[in-house]
Amino acid sequence: AQSVTQPDIHITVSEGASLELRCNYSYGATPYLFWYVQSPGQGLQLLLKYFSGDTLVQGIKGFEAEFKRSQSSFNLRKPSVHWSDAAEYFCAVGARGGYQKVTFGTGTKLQVIP
Amino acid sequence: DAGVTQSPTHLIKTRGQQVTLRCSPKSGHDTVSWYQQALGQGPQFIFQYYEEEERQRGNFPDRFSGHQFPNYSSELNVNALLLGDSALYLCASSPRPETGELFFGEGSRLTVL
Repeated sequence: AQSVTQPDIHITVSEGASLELRCNYSYGATPYLFWYVQSPGQGLQLLLKYFSGDTLVQGIKGFEAEFKRSQSSFNLRKPSVHWSDAAEYFCAVGARGGYQKVTFGTGTKLQVIP
Repeated sequence: DAGVTQSPTHLIKTRGQQVTLRCSPKSGHDTVSWYQQALGQGPQFIFQYYEEEERQRGNFPDRFSGHQFPNYSSELNVNALLLGDSALYLCASSPRPETGELFFGEGSRLTVL
């Protein structure tokens, strides 16, 4: 069964600083990988996805993520954080082929301080 | 282009009651998945509907059931409500069932007293 681990429950960064959110997955082969963002009281919005090809994936709002097969990781990065980036971020994994059962991690809450 | 819409946005029920939540997928999407998100947790997969049939199911009891209509909209039904069913219920649609790329609604907040 697939699973996702987000080791950081809460992260605080200063506005303008760089950001890296960690994600490790467990799956028998190369999975589909996703990052979603959730603002308070809202649904989730897809930031970026990895299906195949280039292991560095660009997303919306200036985010990027790198798939590292050897480390079973898919960390999310942003070079300069804005106050509006404060939200909860979820990494998710899906199996290749067939009907999807996307599995989410427990999330990392990002706080941005001025 | 309307996104995923869910109703109601908030509701309060008592233990033992039944609830029905509704979802209209994004235009052009034919696959609907339902997730339960408890406070402070990540979304947990309940089930996925495609072509009016349940295609995948997570680890939820039979009290949780669903339906998909010919227009691709969907309902989630929960019977015999427990206090632990209090959560945000999220509907997500996909352009195809195998992609895993989910477009979420804003959810229905269920409180069970």
